[in-house]
Amino acid sequence: DAGVIQSPRHEVTEMGQEVTLRCKPISGHNSLFWYRQTMMRGLELLIYFNNNVPIDDSGMPEDRFSAKMPNASFSTLKIQPSEPRDSAVYFCASSSRRGITGELFFGEGSRLTVL
Amino acid sequence: GNSVTQMEGPVTLSEEAFLTINCTYTATGYPSLFWYVQYPGEGLQLLLKATKADDKGSNKGFEATYRKETTSFHLEKGSVQVSDSAVYFCALNVGGGTSYGKLTFGQGTILTVHP
Repeated sequence: DAGVIQSPRHEVTEMGQEVTLRCKPISGHNSLFWYRQTMMRGLELLIYFNNNVPIDDSGMPEDRFSAKMPNASFSTLKIQPSEPRDSAVYFCASSSRRGITGELFFGEGSRLTVL
Repeated sequence: GNSVTQMEGPVTLSEEAFLTINCTYTATGYPSLFWYVQYPGEGLQLLLKATKADDKGSNKGFEATYRKETTSFHLEKGSVQVSDSAVYFCALNVGGGTSYGKLTFGQGTILTVHP
């Protein structure tokens, strides 16, 4: 079975450019999470969706960040404009209410470098 | 609020040594507790879990016991291998309603095992 698929795996961009990260959750999973990982701050939850509806976006750093989930099989995280401090690994994860509570399945991450 | 505190890393061990990574938590309600592992270049994956007090989670030779009286969930392994080198995250979930999949993670502990 395919796991959580993220793209791109690596992105290098210049400050001020728009960045779009994509995620395809595991089929049948109804929750989707976006995390950011940095050395300084560790793993931070940015936003999560249940049944395509954003439930908690309190972790989104600022208005430059936005996330959408137009359907059950696709989500995007957009940064516009990007800044060097946005450099991090961004993980998408999904889970199913029918599975183990708290078991998240993570993608391999998108490593973003903003110059 | 909910929080997880892990022992400071990094931890460096020789192969076949005994491993303990401490984890304590603060939670409202009755959390489920988890250990996730992140191998280099990969996303996090569930290692083990415990859903109620005195439960012991185990997997791949790793164990952790849910201690409500000390609010702890320490990870142990009797004999580590080089392949165990990874970052280990303790996490909790206070489930129910729309937050059943939302995890609070500790800061992670880097483990390096030398031959």
